[in-house]
Amino acid sequence: ILNVEQSPQSLHVQEGDSTNFTCSFPSSNFYALHWYRWETAKSPEALFVMTLNGDEKKKGRISATLNTKEGYSYLYIKGSQPEDSATYLCASFSSGTYKYIFGTGTRLKVLA
Amino acid sequence: KAGVTQTPRYLIKTRGQQVTLSCSPISGHRSVSWYQQTPGQGLQFLFEYFSETQRNKGNFPGRFSGRQFSNSRSEMNVSTLELGDSALYLCATRPGQDAYEQYFGPGTRLTVT
Repeated sequence: ILNVEQSPQSLHVQEGDSTNFTCSFPSSNFYALHWYRWETAKSPEALFVMTLNGDEKKKGRISATLNTKEGYSYLYIKGSQPEDSATYLCASFSSGTYKYIFGTGTRLKVLA
Repeated sequence: KAGVTQTPRYLIKTRGQQVTLSCSPISGHRSVSWYQQTPGQGLQFLFEYFSETQRNKGNFPGRFSGRQFSNSRSEMNVSTLELGDSALYLCATRPGQDAYEQYFGPGTRLTVT
């Protein structure tokens, strides 16, 4: 993988459902993986910064895991709420280029 | 602690003109990165400034340039605007060049007609 890829592109879930998205990134020269939440009319806000293989981070109902050997990260939302509706971006930071490469995001819509 | 500010928030320009956008980082943040976001595209990295020097550059033509001042404020300039330059331009700041989380400004929405 040369780029950062996210799937699915968009997702509609019912309130109370649990959901997850995938971020795939180049595993060579990996340094860090960031997850951001971007709500409409607001700025992207950092959710997690992950660096170690096997890392698991949690913030309330949202959690993330990291596999640096195979180059993927999962973001989980448990019991989705309408306020979770946003675009979720992941960004890979490479020790080779020392810059962030963003995926195109997963747009989540939680229906009440 | 004040957040990242960007000015102006909205801008309409004509093809061929030039434009300057400004970004003021959070106090103590010395790294400023610029991104372009267009529909269907992820955030595309333009460049990063740290201690008044461009440290990193994305794959954009030379019409896109920037600079950083001693107070870490940064400006981005686009010359000879093209219709395809219409986009949301975001700046993001962090304390240093390491993989700290980035703090984003509200963006400047540029429309080129």
